[in-house]
Amino acid sequence: QVQLVESGGGVVQPGKSLRLSCVASGFDFTDYSIHWVRQTPDRGLEWLAVVAGNERDKNYSDFVKGRFNISRDKSKNTVFLQMDSLRPEDTAVYYCVRDSGTYLGLFFYWGQGARVTVSS
Amino acid sequence: DIMMTQSPDSLAVSLGERATINCRSNRSVVSTSNNKNYFAWYQQKPGQPPKALLYWASTRASGVPDRFTGSGSGTSFTLTISGLQAEDAAVYFCQQYYSTPTFGPGTRVEIK
Repeated sequence: QVQLVESGGGVVQPGKSLRLSCVASGFDFTDYSIHWVRQTPDRGLEWLAVVAGNERDKNYSDFVKGRFNISRDKSKNTVFLQMDSLRPEDTAVYYCVRDSGTYLGLFFYWGQGARVTVSS
Repeated sequence: DIMMTQSPDSLAVSLGERATINCRSNRSVVSTSNNKNYFAWYQQKPGQPPKALLYWASTRASGVPDRFTGSGSGTSFTLTISGLQAEDAAVYFCQQYYSTPTFGPGTRVEIK
């Protein structure tokens, strides 16, 4: 069955970097776009970024563009989210999410989430 | 980005009764090319990720009971839970995927 397993969360100081990983299994990895979505009690669910199966096509939300970078490695069935210049407001649970198609934005499969806390 | 709003913020419903949740978008999410509403509903229980319930506004995801019904078009949508069960206590989110995905703030459904 489809599985998405995030790792790499933790506590990090403001201004520092963190890289989240998402290992995917149970489907043909290159056939689907993979997204990152985060959730906070205050702001709810926020879509952050997407990388297509071709590894080249990417898109970002305005509030992380220039600070976050999404990538994927088909040899490892893994998607990464490199987060730089982290701010306290980036504190959230980060979900790796599989698209239902190549680039639709409909989400049937979610990871369990990785908690990121940005605090000094 | 398309903004999504939901009402009410929360509601308490007795077992077996009906729960109705509304969602509005500030722009239409209907595609003129295929006349489909790029709109979904999700359910989230504590400690779990969201789970897709309905997509294309009214199509149930696999395994979703038929007491969950989605309706609406354009900018106004409704999720109806008929015959509320104890396991339906959760937070419900709407989402549009017409453009960059955005979510509603959520509606908490509690059992009265």
